[in-house]
Amino acid sequence: AQSVTQLGSHVSVSEGALVLLRCNYSSSVPPYLFWYVQYPNQGLQLLLKYTSAATLVKGINDFEAEFKKSETSFHLTKPSAHMSDAAEYFCAVSDRGFGNEKLTFGTGTRLTIIP
Amino acid sequence: DSGVTQTPKHLITATGQRVTLRCSPRSGDLSVYWYQQSLDQGLQFLIQYYNGEERAKGNILERFSAQQFPDLHSELNLSSLELGDSALYFCASSVGVTGRDGYTFGSGTRLTVV
Repeated sequence: AQSVTQLGSHVSVSEGALVLLRCNYSSSVPPYLFWYVQYPNQGLQLLLKYTSAATLVKGINDFEAEFKKSETSFHLTKPSAHMSDAAEYFCAVSDRGFGNEKLTFGTGTRLTIIP
Repeated sequence: DSGVTQTPKHLITATGQRVTLRCSPRSGDLSVYWYQQSLDQGLQFLIQYYNGEERAKGNILERFSAQQFPDLHSELNLSSLELGDSALYFCASSVGVTGRDGYTFGSGTRLTVV
């Protein structure tokens, strides 16, 4: 079964600094990959998705992620952190195989922004 | 507003009781998914329905059951509740049967078992 590993359950960055949240997937066949954000007391909101078009995927709020097959990674970045980015971020994977397409989520990374 | 509606938002009940959580998918979406989010287990997939039929099953306990009705809304029934069932329960929906386009999530039902 597909799985994703998010390195670092907590990440702190200063306002204006680069945000880098790490995600690695386990599959020999490139899956569909997603990043979701969860603000306090809210549901998950889709940030961006990779479905085998461009390897650099742009999402909402200036976030982007790059699919690297050689590293089985799909790290999330944002050039300049804003206070409003404080939230929990989840990487998710969906197998391309028929009958096993549900999303499997990583354990999440809580992002804290330091003023 | 994501378009996925979950009710109630909060639920407090006693151990041994039974509750029903309700979800209305986004207009046009045929698949409904249920997830449980707890501090120790993270986001766990419970079950998926597609156009009224059970499509996939995850780590759903036998005390839990779900169904999707002809109008596509779904209900998750939790019975013989235990303290450990306290969690956030999310419903999500998608157009098709696969996850390739991602899901749209509701804002969740927070269940507290006392």
